[in-house]
Amino acid sequence: GENVEQHPSTLSVQEGDSAVIKCTYSDSASNYFPWYKQELGKGPQLIIDIRSNVGEKKDQRIAVTLNKTAKHFSLHITETQPEDSAVYFCAATPGSWGKLQFGAGTQVVVTP
Amino acid sequence: NAGVTQTPKFRVLKTGQSMTLLCAQDMNHEYMYWYRQDPGMGLRLIHYSVGEGTTAKGEVPDGYNVSRLKKQNFLLGLESAAPSQTSVYFCASSYKRLERQFFGPGTRLTVL
Repeated sequence: GENVEQHPSTLSVQEGDSAVIKCTYSDSASNYFPWYKQELGKGPQLIIDIRSNVGEKKDQRIAVTLNKTAKHFSLHITETQPEDSAVYFCAATPGSWGKLQFGAGTQVVVTP
Repeated sequence: NAGVTQTPKFRVLKTGQSMTLLCAQDMNHEYMYWYRQDPGMGLRLIHYSVGEGTTAKGEVPDGYNVSRLKKQNFLLGLESAAPSQTSVYFCASSYKRLERQFFGPGTRLTVL
């Protein structure tokens, strides 16, 4: 089955710096790659997603890149702010149906 | 528009007791999902439904049953709770597969 590995598990950055989280997947049939942000005590919320026919997608300070050949995708957050502190999860969609397989999560802490 | 709601928010059970978690969505979504979240393991799919009256097994279905009698509701049942089922449970819904999933606020379950 699909295995999604996410690194790092924790990331501490200074406010204003950039943060990068990387994920790798094993099933080449995966074609949808969402990123979710989870704040303490809340459910995950989608922040950006990318499909396999696109190499990069950007939404304001957030961007995602996808390398299908290498089977890895990354989340980039620029000009980090304290409200970016949360746990971030990547996910892939093994097989043809589209069930999400999540990474283990990255705890991001933005210090003022 | 409440989105996805879950009841209860917290519950403590003794080993062997049963309970039902209720998920409701008011977005007219066809697809609904139940996940469990454990430290360091991301979210794992328990069961899902692709429409009213349908259910299917996810990654970790053992010990759980589900029902989708109405389109807006998805119930998760534990017939005989075990300490290994101590977790945070999230319900989610989506309009289509391979589309954004909307998550509820979660239910924290402790089995003693």
